[in-house]
Amino acid sequence: DTAVSQTPKYLVTQMGNDKSIKCEQNLGHDTMYWYKQDSKKFLKIMFSYNNKELIINETVPNRFSPKSPDKAHLNLHINSLELGDSAVYFCASSQEVWSGNEQFFGPGTRLTVL
Amino acid sequence: DAKTTQPPSMDCAEGRAANLPCNHSTISGNEYVYWYRQIHSQGPQYIIHGLKNNETNEMASLIITEDRKSSTLILPHATLRDTAVYYCIVRGYSTLTFGKGTMLLVSP
Repeated sequence: DTAVSQTPKYLVTQMGNDKSIKCEQNLGHDTMYWYKQDSKKFLKIMFSYNNKELIINETVPNRFSPKSPDKAHLNLHINSLELGDSAVYFCASSQEVWSGNEQFFGPGTRLTVL
Repeated sequence: DAKTTQPPSMDCAEGRAANLPCNHSTISGNEYVYWYRQIHSQGPQYIIHGLKNNETNEMASLIITEDRKSSTLILPHATLRDTAVYYCIVRGYSTLTFGKGTMLLVSP
């Protein structure tokens, strides 16, 4: 069974559209994350949720809105997509937020904005 | 979090040990050293982490110097599937911050 899964794997869309990426983890973890990896391969954290509560928001534009319906899911909704949003988005989870805990990453969603 | 310095790339022959260095001279007492890797087009994968003692698991060994200012990740018998970008991360009570990592190329 896949520990952290994301859908869709690929997403191609036009500028200005609204899209969502879904993430689910079956590890029983309390904390979930969204990361963005840009074309230069830098991997940066965007959000972190612990028990459905937002705990980290790394100055991400308001067009990005994470939603956590329960501990096992953290979805990412993006409004008014821009060319610069093209990247690979990774979801991850861990038992706790802070040090001493490994993070498990999903396979990624490659978003292309045309 | 303390910053880390890694060589941009390394080569290793299949079956040989791969020793990946990492400098973290500004590490503080409560910060752990983590290693992750990212195989092309996949999500990062946790390898190992440690505070001050050397650690070993089924994937690798982590050697941390006594002053904790540097560490080495050892893949004892590298395979072609170990070709990846390896990230050394120093982390305290904060999030993971990925740098540029070391691109390890394992060749036949």
